[in-house]
Amino acid sequence: KNEVEQSPQNLTAQEGEFITINCSYSVGISALHWLQQHPGGGIVSLFMLSSGKKKHGRLIATINIQEKHSSLHITASHPRDSAVYICAVRRSNQFYFGTGTSLTVIP
Amino acid sequence: GAVVSQHPSRVICKSGTSVKIECRSLDFQATTMFWYRQFPKQSLMLMATSNEGSKATYEQGVEKDKFLINHASLTLSTLTVTSAHPEDSSFYICSARTGTGIDGYTFGSGTRLTVV
Repeated sequence: KNEVEQSPQNLTAQEGEFITINCSYSVGISALHWLQQHPGGGIVSLFMLSSGKKKHGRLIATINIQEKHSSLHITASHPRDSAVYICAVRRSNQFYFGTGTSLTVIP
Repeated sequence: GAVVSQHPSRVICKSGTSVKIECRSLDFQATTMFWYRQFPKQSLMLMATSNEGSKATYEQGVEKDKFLINHASLTLSTLTVTSAHPEDSSFYICSARTGTGIDGYTFGSGTRLTVV
C-alpha cells in the first residue's frame, strides 16, 4: 500500500468547472506539498502546507492533519491547467509521492 | 524565493555513454540535495541523498557505481548516469533543502533522459 493515495487518477473537465483533487496519507508528516507536472516533465511546486488552507490565484489547497487528508481545488478551470498534479508528503527529510492526478481541461 | 536550476531539461544519448545532470542552487546554499527518478505513470522515487562534502546515501536497489552523485560545493550537485542503457531512460529530478521549516524545500525542473 502506498503511503500517499490520490484520487481521481484521471480527470477530464470542461473549461470553467470547479475541480477537486484529493490526497490521503498514512504516515505522520512534517508538511504536505502539491506539485504540478506539465507534459514536458518539468515540476513546479504549487503549495506547501502544514495546516489550514492556502490560496494562490485560482488554486486553493487545504489540509486536515487529524484526518490525514488534503485537497487541491481549481476554480474556473482553464485548458492551461491541464497537467499532472502530484501530492507529496514530507516526513523529516523523506518525501513520499502520490502517483498523480492527470487533469485535462477541455475548451 | 529559493530556486534550483536543473540542466539539461532533455538529453538523448547512445547506449554505453555517460550523461551528467546538474542541479544548481541559485540564491541559497544547498547543504542537502535529493535525487529522484520517475518512470512513466509511476511516482517519483528517491534515488539518493547527497550532503555537501560527503558521500551520497543511496536507497536500496540503486546502483551507486552506475549513478554517481557529486556534491562538492554548496551550490552544485551532479548526477552522472554511467554506461547508460535504454532501461535508464527516465525523468530525473533534484530537490534541495533550502532551510528549516515548512518552506524549506524546492524542486528542480527535471531532466528527461532518453537512451537509444
